Amino acid sequence: QKEVEQDPGPLSVPEGAIVSLNCTYSNSAFQYFMWYRQYSRKGPELLMYTYSSGNKEDGRFTAQVDKSSKYISLFIRDSQPSDSATYLCAMRRTGTASKLTFGTGTRLQVTL
Amino acid sequence: NAGVTQTPKFRVLKTGQSMTLLCAQDMNHEYMYWYRQDPGMGLRLIHYSVGEGTTAKGEVPDGYNVSRLKKQNFLLGLESAAPSQTSVYFCATEDDRKNIQYFGAGTRLSVL
Repeated sequence: QKEVEQDPGPLSVPEGAIVSLNCTYSNSAFQYFMWYRQYSRKGPELLMYTYSSGNKEDGRFTAQVDKSSKYISLFIRDSQPSDSATYLCAMRRTGTASKLTFGTGTRLQVTL
Repeated sequence: NAGVTQTPKFRVLKTGQSMTLLCAQDMNHEYMYWYRQDPGMGLRLIHYSVGEGTTAKGEVPDGYNVSRLKKQNFLLGLESAAPSQTSVYFCATEDDRKNIQYFGAGTRLSVL
């Protein structure tokens, strides 16, 4: 069983829809949770960063962490065609240079 | 400000050939990482470095070597390439004060 599970999609939604992307994990030691966005043939870029449990909002993006359920989510409001990309969740323990563990990524397509 | 620069962007090798991938950063980060990304596998850590002159093995180190002779450069070497090393390789640097990793644009490698 992988430490981090993520549905690969693809997920296709119409422009303006609310998108929900999720990851589950098994390692209760994870404390830092991130969402990266990766456009085709590009490197991942950090989208959201959360420490421990709770919500974090940044514009149209909201990240949620539920440590009791070992479940994290990324919500995208008013989705745009420019949001079409692969979204990778990532997480790590505390400690110097602790390994970042990635989900396999969910491919999102926002259609006009 | 270039950030993280990877060279080359593309390369085709024959089985048994050797090559070196270069990662250069201008962000003065201590930590640097090499990942490979394969379909359905996500990003997997090959090797990493916590500072000039240091290297350590990651999740999938076999068949690769690394060197960090200068703080700004992290080299990934393939001594005898195999078809199983066909992948997209990403370099990342880390701002250890923020626990955030920044990725390069990637190197697409095909081994025939």
